[in-house]
Amino acid sequence: DAMVIQNPRYQVTQFGKPVTLSCSQTLNHNVMYWYQQKSSQAPKLLFHYYDKDFNNEADTPDNFQSRRPNTSFCFLDIRSPGLGDAAMYLCATSRDPGSSYNEQFFGPGTRLTVL
Amino acid sequence: KNQVEQSPQSLIILEGKNCTLQCNYTVSPFSNLRWYKQDTGRGPVSLTIMTFSENTKSNGRYTATLDADTKQSSLHITASQLSDSASYICVVTSLKLIFGTGTRLQVFP
Repeated sequence: DAMVIQNPRYQVTQFGKPVTLSCSQTLNHNVMYWYQQKSSQAPKLLFHYYDKDFNNEADTPDNFQSRRPNTSFCFLDIRSPGLGDAAMYLCATSRDPGSSYNEQFFGPGTRLTVL
Repeated sequence: KNQVEQSPQSLIILEGKNCTLQCNYTVSPFSNLRWYKQDTGRGPVSLTIMTFSENTKSNGRYTATLDADTKQSSLHITASQLSDSASYICVVTSLKLIFGTGTRLQVFP
């Protein structure tokens, strides 16, 4: 059964053309995360939502925005994609970041190509 | 600075052989340590999780160890299969997840 779903799996956009990536979850988890992963690198946390509270990482560019309209859905908006934004974007969820067994469940990722 | 270092960066083994991947960390505060398997083009999937008081955890052919004193962990894969070819990522949970850069394992027939 799918738990963290990302759409689309592959996205191609043009330089400077806004793009939105989608994530949904069937786990009813409180926290949703967006990571950027470039080739052969570790995932880099962009931001996360704890319920409706948005938490941005200090080094996340302003070009990246996020929306969480309800518990199940979270969106990543890239306002003006540059060539350097080409990467795999991973969505993850967890129940409660305060738990010592706080496990993050990852989606399959969206591979973004910028032409 | 919180860091998670993995070795080797890449590893090639023959099907059926065993292998051990290493993870050293300097992370504070420490909550737990996980090993994830990430197939090419897919999201990471959790293999094992260990808290401070646990020093070994198995999941099928995967066995992870944790030495909290030396801040080292290992992932041992027994009787490797072609499907084990993937990146293995060591992740330490602190105030957030601290990812290692992974070990790329290739299993050849």
